[in-house]
Order: sequence, then structure tokens, then C-alpha cells
Amino acid sequence: EVQLLESGGGLVQPGGSLRLSCAASGFAFSNYVISWIRQAPGKGLEWVSSLSTTGTNIYYAESVKGRFTISRDNSKNTLYLQMSSLRGEDTAVYYCAKDLGYCSGGTCFDAFEIWGQGTTVTVSS
Amino acid sequence: DIQMTQSPSSLSASIGDRVIITCRASQSINRYLNWYQQQPGKAPKLLIYAASSLQDGVPSRFSGSGSGTDFTLSIRSLQPEDFATYYCQQSLTYPPTFGGGTKVEIK
Repeated sequence: EVQLLESGGGLVQPGGSLRLSCAASGFAFSNYVISWIRQAPGKGLEWVSSLSTTGTNIYYAESVKGRFTISRDNSKNTLYLQMSSLRGEDTAVYYCAKDLGYCSGGTCFDAFEIWGQGTTVTVSS
Repeated sequence: DIQMTQSPSSLSASIGDRVIITCRASQSINRYLNWYQQQPGKAPKLLIYAASSLQDGVPSRFSGSGSGTDFTLSIRSLQPEDFATYYCQQSLTYPPTFGGGTKVEIK
């Protein structure tokens, strides 16, 4: 079964740091782009960051650029999100998601195919 | 960034109704449009990718259409498990952006 399992969430003070992990199983982890997406309480979905298969291509939302660092360890089938200088507006459920990786006729389409159950980050004093 | 606008933001419908949700992009995104369903307290689930391709395991009562800037998600005969929030998302370019969501409630 294809599965993603996030961990590492918790309560942290403003300005603090936290590292999230996303453990993958049931698929060839090293072959797929993996992303972080978050959802603030009662709000919609916000993409946070994506990382290519080899770690060469890295993308961040402007709202987290310079504060968050995405990385992966393909030998451990695990994606990470190091979060620092945390703010109240970073409070959210953080999901990791596997890319669909669908290509047809030379055109590739991305989508967030498989999602983890999420881990909650609360930034508060 | 490409802005995604969904309408309506919420709707009330009855079991068996046909429901249509629309999504508009601030610029042409060809067919790089995905739809997700989110049940309360759960992670989102991919329903439709590339505007009209049904994800494996998704019931055929769901369908997507459109290209360029205007897209629709249709649910042919609403079932109890379909009451949820639906999001569109563009995948043409980074940053991937989501619509604000459409909450489908029971009438």
C-alpha cells in the first residue's frame, strides 16, 4: 500500500524551530517529487515546498522562503521540512504529498496524488 | 502567481442532485488543473487531474472539463459521502496554487 506518514509536529514558541518528517512506503520514493502543503485552522490549502527526485530542484512559497528548508534522504525513504523563525501564521496542519508523475505524449502533468494524514504545528507563546 | 477562483464558495444540495463547481484561473493554464475532495478532519484526495482524467478508484459520477482559464467539476448524482469541500489547483507553474474551496452541504 502506498503510504506517507508525517511526524514531528507540536507546540513551539514564536521564533522557534521544528523539523517535520514524512516517511514513505509502498512505492519507489526516489523516483517522485514530494511536496509539503499546509492548511491553517478553518482555512484552505497552501502549498509550502517541493523537492525533485535528486534534490536538485527546490521550490518554496514566498511566505516560507529563507525560513524553511526541504530535504530528502532517499536511502531512508524520508522527506524533511526544517522550519525556523516560526510565526503564528505558520500554525497549520502540514501534509506531505507524492506527485502523480503522469506523462502522456511528451507532456507531463503534476498533481498531489497521495497525501499523508498530516501533522499539526502550533506556534504560540 | 496564478490566482485560482472557485465558485460558489458553498452550496446546499440533496442526495441525487447534480452539482457543478467552477474554477477560473487568472491566466491560461491549458489543462494543468486538478480537483481534490477533502472530508472534515481528513487529508485531501485527488479526484481529477489534467482537467478531465479520473484518478484511479474515483467513482465515475465525478467528471471534469475545461481548458485555458475556465474549468468545471461535475458530480452527476450526489451521494452521502460526497458532502465535503472541493478544491481546484493549477499545476502549470510554481508556485502551485489552490482555489479557495467549495463546501458542499446537505440541503
